[in-house]
Amino acid sequence: EAEVAQSPRYKITEKSQAVAFWCDPISGHATLYWYRQILGQGPELLVQFQDESVVDDSQLPKDRFSAERLKGVDSTLKIQPAELGDSAMYLCASSVRLAGGEETQYFGPGTRLLVL
Amino acid sequence: SQQGEEDPQALSIQEGENATMNCSYKTSINNLQWYRQNSGRGLVHLILIRSNEREKHSGRLRVTLDTSKKSSSLLITASRAADTASYFCATVFRTGFQKLVFGTGTRLLVSP
Repeated sequence: EAEVAQSPRYKITEKSQAVAFWCDPISGHATLYWYRQILGQGPELLVQFQDESVVDDSQLPKDRFSAERLKGVDSTLKIQPAELGDSAMYLCASSVRLAGGEETQYFGPGTRLLVL
Repeated sequence: SQQGEEDPQALSIQEGENATMNCSYKTSINNLQWYRQNSGRGLVHLILIRSNEREKHSGRLRVTLDTSKKSSSLLITASRAADTASYFCATVFRTGFQKLVFGTGTRLLVSP
């Protein structure tokens, strides 16, 4: 069964350093999402792509976070500089539209970031 | 910000018992979805219920939706130790580029 791939699975960095996460969605899924999940809470959407275009980045802290999906396939999320409060799980998901028009999302295993 | 809140925050039961968790949300929705997350892993989609549906079943799962009360419930029957996980409701409140807004989650522990 096809899966969403993410790397790295774990990342430890020092504050003020740059960090990057990579996601490869399920083949054929046009919509790709990046979420941040703080321990004990639900995921919160950071950015949503439709093919290579950003359709929602209203919750992305644009002073330090950036995301790209240049060819409309895989995607990179970058944080520069990292802050202590960025410690969280970063989840990538891709979606397929059902016959009724709804979408269900398929999640990758996540990247757990610890900023020291 | 979180759209929904799950209740209870944590639930501990024995294998074979039923588990019920509730979700309340704030705005009108197109559909509501439930996801499961095993510890430290990604989320897995369980079931979707549309705003014009009141109840849906999938295997041991039963979901209800009451749009007048802006609430949903997830029932897991005959629970197993493998059901131990966090369960999240997620609401979709727009068409077009659909956006999931997750609740705070219920942590379920099923003991053998």
